[in-house]
Amino acid sequence: LAKTTQPISMDSYEGQEVNITCSHNNIATNDYITWYQQFPSQGPRFIIQGYKTKVTNEVASLFIPADRKSSTLSLPRVSLSDTAVYYCLVGGNAGNMLTFGGGTRLMVKP
Amino acid sequence: EPEVTQTPSHQVTQMGQEVILRCVPISNHLYFYWYRQILGQKVEFLVSFYNNEISEKSEIFDDQFSVERPDGSNFTLKIRSTKLEDSAMYFCASSEEQGPLYEQYFGPGTRLTVT
Repeated sequence: LAKTTQPISMDSYEGQEVNITCSHNNIATNDYITWYQQFPSQGPRFIIQGYKTKVTNEVASLFIPADRKSSTLSLPRVSLSDTAVYYCLVGGNAGNMLTFGGGTRLMVKP
Repeated sequence: EPEVTQTPSHQVTQMGQEVILRCVPISNHLYFYWYRQILGQKVEFLVSFYNNEISEKSEIFDDQFSVERPDGSNFTLKIRSTKLEDSAMYFCASSEEQGPLYEQYFGPGTRLTVT
Protein backbone atom coordinates (compact mmCIF):
# COMPACT_ATOMS: atom_id res chain seq x y z
CA LEU A 1 0.00 0.00 0.00
CA ALA A 2 1.30 3.44 -0.91
CA LYS A 3 2.22 5.58 2.10
CA THR A 4 0.58 8.99 2.21
CA THR A 5 1.83 12.18 3.81
CA GLN A 6 -0.39 15.19 4.47
CA PRO A 7 -0.20 18.20 6.80
CA ILE A 8 -1.31 17.49 10.33
CA SER A 9 -3.45 20.62 10.52
CA MET A 10 -4.54 23.69 8.60
CA ASP A 11 -6.44 26.83 9.53
CA SER A 12 -8.67 28.82 7.23
CA TYR A 13 -11.37 31.45 7.33
CA GLU A 14 -14.92 31.28 6.12
CA GLY A 15 -15.27 31.98 2.42
CA GLN A 16 -11.70 31.05 1.53
CA GLU A 17 -10.62 28.27 -0.79
CA VAL A 18 -8.68 25.54 0.99
CA ASN A 19 -6.19 23.27 -0.71
CA ILE A 20 -4.90 20.20 1.11
CA THR A 21 -2.03 18.40 -0.55
CA CYS A 22 -1.19 14.76 -0.06
CA SER A 23 2.01 13.15 -1.25
CA HIS A 24 2.10 9.50 -2.26
CA ASN A 25 5.44 8.88 -3.92
CA ASN A 26 5.04 5.12 -4.09
CA ILE A 27 1.65 5.10 -5.78
CA ALA A 28 1.14 2.04 -7.97
CA THR A 29 -0.27 1.99 -11.48
CA ASN A 30 -3.63 0.57 -10.40
CA ASP A 31 -4.03 2.77 -7.31
CA TYR A 32 -6.83 5.30 -7.01
CA ILE A 33 -6.73 8.36 -4.77
CA THR A 34 -9.68 8.81 -2.46
CA TRP A 35 -10.48 11.48 0.10
CA TYR A 36 -12.70 11.01 3.12
CA GLN A 37 -13.95 13.58 5.62
CA GLN A 38 -14.62 12.93 9.29
CA PHE A 39 -16.51 15.21 11.66
CA PRO A 40 -15.97 14.78 15.41
CA SER A 41 -17.71 11.71 16.80
CA GLN A 42 -18.91 10.60 13.35
CA GLY A 43 -17.83 8.01 10.85
CA PRO A 44 -15.71 8.98 7.83
CA ARG A 45 -17.59 10.11 4.74
CA PHE A 46 -16.45 9.77 1.13
CA ILE A 47 -15.76 13.08 -0.58
CA ILE A 48 -14.10 12.43 -3.92
CA GLN A 49 -11.99 9.98 -5.85
CA GLY A 50 -9.74 10.21 -8.87
CA TYR A 51 -7.08 8.49 -10.89
CA LYS A 52 -5.49 11.31 -12.88
CA THR A 53 -5.96 14.94 -13.95
CA LYS A 54 -8.95 16.67 -12.37
CA VAL A 55 -12.18 15.48 -10.86
CA THR A 56 -14.91 17.79 -9.61
CA ASN A 57 -18.15 17.12 -7.78
CA GLU A 58 -20.60 19.26 -5.83
CA VAL A 59 -18.38 19.24 -2.76
CA ALA A 60 -14.78 19.45 -3.91
CA SER A 61 -12.22 19.19 -6.67
CA LEU A 62 -9.31 16.82 -6.82
CA PHE A 63 -6.19 17.71 -8.78
CA ILE A 64 -3.73 14.99 -9.69
CA PRO A 65 -0.57 15.83 -11.65
CA ALA A 66 0.71 13.63 -14.44
CA ASP A 67 3.22 11.77 -12.25
CA ARG A 68 0.45 11.03 -9.70
CA LYS A 69 2.92 11.30 -6.82
CA SER A 70 0.74 13.86 -5.10
CA SER A 71 -2.83 15.09 -5.13
CA THR A 72 -4.61 18.21 -3.94
CA LEU A 73 -8.08 18.36 -2.49
CA SER A 74 -9.63 21.75 -3.10
CA LEU A 75 -12.60 22.97 -1.06
CA PRO A 76 -14.12 26.14 -2.53
CA ARG A 77 -15.38 28.83 -0.17
CA VAL A 78 -15.27 26.88 3.08
CA SER A 79 -17.76 27.42 5.88
CA LEU A 80 -17.56 26.68 9.60
CA SER A 81 -19.23 23.35 8.95
CA ASP A 82 -16.25 22.21 6.88
CA THR A 83 -14.20 21.96 10.06
CA ALA A 84 -13.22 18.29 10.06
CA VAL A 85 -10.39 15.86 9.52
CA TYR A 86 -9.63 15.11 5.87
CA TYR A 87 -7.99 11.82 4.93
CA CYS A 88 -6.14 11.00 1.74
CA LEU A 89 -6.19 7.28 0.91
CA VAL A 90 -4.41 5.50 -1.88
CA GLY A 91 -5.30 1.98 -2.90
CA GLY A 92 -5.87 -0.42 -5.73
CA ASN A 93 -7.25 -3.86 -6.10
CA ALA A 94 -5.44 -5.36 -3.15
CA GLY A 95 -8.42 -6.14 -0.97
CA ASN A 96 -11.08 -3.77 0.16
CA MET A 97 -9.85 -2.47 3.50
CA LEU A 98 -9.35 1.26 3.81
CA THR A 99 -6.06 2.34 5.36
CA PHE A 100 -6.39 5.69 7.07
CA GLY A 101 -3.42 7.84 7.98
CA GLY A 102 -3.46 10.66 10.46
CA GLY A 103 -5.36 13.01 8.16
CA THR A 104 -5.37 16.80 8.06
CA ARG A 105 -7.35 18.58 10.74
CA LEU A 106 -8.94 21.61 9.07
CA MET A 107 -10.16 24.37 11.33
CA VAL A 108 -12.36 27.00 9.68
CA LYS A 109 -12.63 30.20 11.64
CA PRO A 110 -15.27 32.94 11.35
CA GLU B 1 -30.36 8.87 1.17
CA PRO B 2 -29.85 5.35 2.56
CA GLU B 3 -27.55 5.13 5.54
CA VAL B 4 -25.79 2.66 7.79
CA THR B 5 -27.18 2.58 11.31
CA GLN B 6 -25.51 1.34 14.49
CA THR B 7 -26.76 0.50 17.95
CA PRO B 8 -26.17 1.32 20.68
CA SER B 9 -24.61 4.75 20.29
CA HIS B 10 -22.76 4.29 23.56
CA GLN B 11 -22.02 1.08 25.48
CA VAL B 12 -20.38 0.94 28.86
CA THR B 13 -19.17 -2.43 30.05
CA GLN B 14 -16.90 -3.91 32.65
CA MET B 15 -13.61 -5.55 31.80
CA GLY B 16 -14.08 -9.22 30.99
CA GLN B 17 -17.68 -8.86 29.86
CA GLU B 18 -18.93 -9.74 26.40
CA VAL B 19 -20.37 -7.03 24.18
CA ILE B 20 -22.21 -7.17 20.90
CA LEU B 21 -22.25 -4.14 18.66
CA ARG B 22 -24.94 -4.04 16.04
CA CYS B 23 -25.09 -2.56 12.59
CA VAL B 24 -27.67 -2.43 9.83
CA PRO B 25 -25.82 -1.93 6.53
CA ILE B 26 -27.40 -0.33 3.46
CA SER B 27 -29.85 -2.86 2.08
CA ASN B 28 -28.40 -3.59 -1.38
CA HIS B 29 -24.78 -3.65 -0.20
CA LEU B 30 -22.86 -6.89 -0.23
CA TYR B 31 -19.65 -6.05 1.63
CA PHE B 32 -19.51 -5.17 5.29
CA TYR B 33 -16.73 -3.87 7.47
CA TRP B 34 -15.81 -2.98 11.01
CA TYR B 35 -13.29 -0.29 11.89
CA ARG B 36 -12.32 1.17 15.22
CA GLN B 37 -10.87 4.48 16.33
CA ILE B 38 -9.26 4.86 19.70
CA LEU B 39 -9.70 8.41 20.99
CA GLY B 40 -7.29 10.76 19.25
CA GLN B 41 -5.89 8.05 16.98
CA LYS B 42 -6.33 6.80 13.44
CA VAL B 43 -9.26 4.88 12.08
CA GLU B 44 -8.12 1.24 11.97
CA PHE B 45 -9.52 -1.57 9.85
CA LEU B 46 -10.68 -4.63 11.77
CA VAL B 47 -12.47 -6.97 9.38
CA SER B 48 -14.37 -7.26 6.12
CA PHE B 49 -17.19 -9.71 5.46
CA TYR B 50 -18.77 -11.00 2.28
CA ASN B 51 -21.08 -13.87 1.49
CA ASN B 52 -21.22 -14.90 5.14
CA GLU B 53 -17.47 -15.20 5.44
CA ILE B 54 -14.62 -13.06 6.64
CA SER B 55 -12.73 -11.89 3.57
CA GLU B 56 -9.97 -9.93 5.30
CA LYS B 57 -8.96 -9.20 8.86
CA SER B 58 -6.26 -7.19 10.54
CA GLU B 59 -3.91 -8.16 13.32
CA ILE B 60 -6.21 -6.38 15.76
CA PHE B 61 -9.01 -8.82 14.97
CA ASP B 62 -7.84 -11.66 17.20
CA ASP B 63 -9.74 -14.55 18.77
CA GLN B 64 -11.58 -12.17 21.09
CA PHE B 65 -13.48 -10.75 18.13
CA SER B 66 -16.09 -12.35 15.93
CA VAL B 67 -18.55 -11.11 13.34
CA GLU B 68 -21.86 -12.47 12.24
CA ARG B 69 -24.74 -11.70 9.95
CA PRO B 70 -27.48 -13.38 11.95
CA ASP B 71 -30.30 -12.43 9.56
CA GLY B 72 -30.79 -10.56 6.31
CA SER B 73 -30.25 -7.13 7.75
CA ASN B 74 -28.02 -7.09 10.83
CA PHE B 75 -24.24 -7.32 11.00
CA THR B 76 -22.72 -7.73 14.45
CA LEU B 77 -19.32 -7.46 16.08
CA LYS B 78 -18.81 -9.45 19.26
CA ILE B 79 -15.99 -8.92 21.69
CA ARG B 80 -15.87 -11.94 23.98
CA SER B 81 -13.96 -10.67 26.97
CA THR B 82 -13.43 -6.95 26.83
CA LYS B 83 -10.20 -5.30 27.88
CA LEU B 84 -9.58 -1.70 28.86
CA GLU B 85 -7.75 -1.15 25.58
CA ASP B 86 -10.88 -2.11 23.62
CA SER B 87 -12.35 1.27 24.56
CA ALA B 88 -12.85 3.04 21.25
CA MET B 89 -15.39 4.17 18.66
CA TYR B 90 -16.41 1.25 16.51
CA PHE B 91 -17.62 2.04 13.02
CA CYS B 92 -19.52 -0.27 10.74
CA ALA B 93 -19.36 0.34 6.99
CA SER B 94 -20.80 -1.22 3.87
CA SER B 95 -20.24 -1.06 0.14
CA GLU B 96 -21.97 -2.36 -2.99
CA GLU B 97 -18.89 -4.11 -4.27
CA GLN B 98 -15.28 -4.40 -3.26
CA GLY B 99 -12.38 -2.42 -4.60
CA PRO B 100 -11.25 1.19 -4.64
CA LEU B 101 -13.99 2.41 -6.97
CA TYR B 102 -16.73 1.62 -4.50
CA GLU B 103 -17.08 4.00 -1.63
CA GLN B 104 -17.63 2.66 1.81
CA TYR B 105 -20.55 4.13 3.72
CA PHE B 106 -19.85 4.47 7.41
CA GLY B 107 -22.31 4.41 10.26
CA PRO B 108 -22.31 6.93 13.11
CA GLY B 109 -20.35 4.61 15.37
CA THR B 110 -20.73 2.99 18.78
CA ARG B 111 -18.63 4.42 21.55
CA LEU B 112 -17.46 1.50 23.69
CA THR B 113 -16.18 2.31 27.14
CA VAL B 114 -14.61 -0.53 29.13
CA THR B 115 -14.17 0.14 32.83
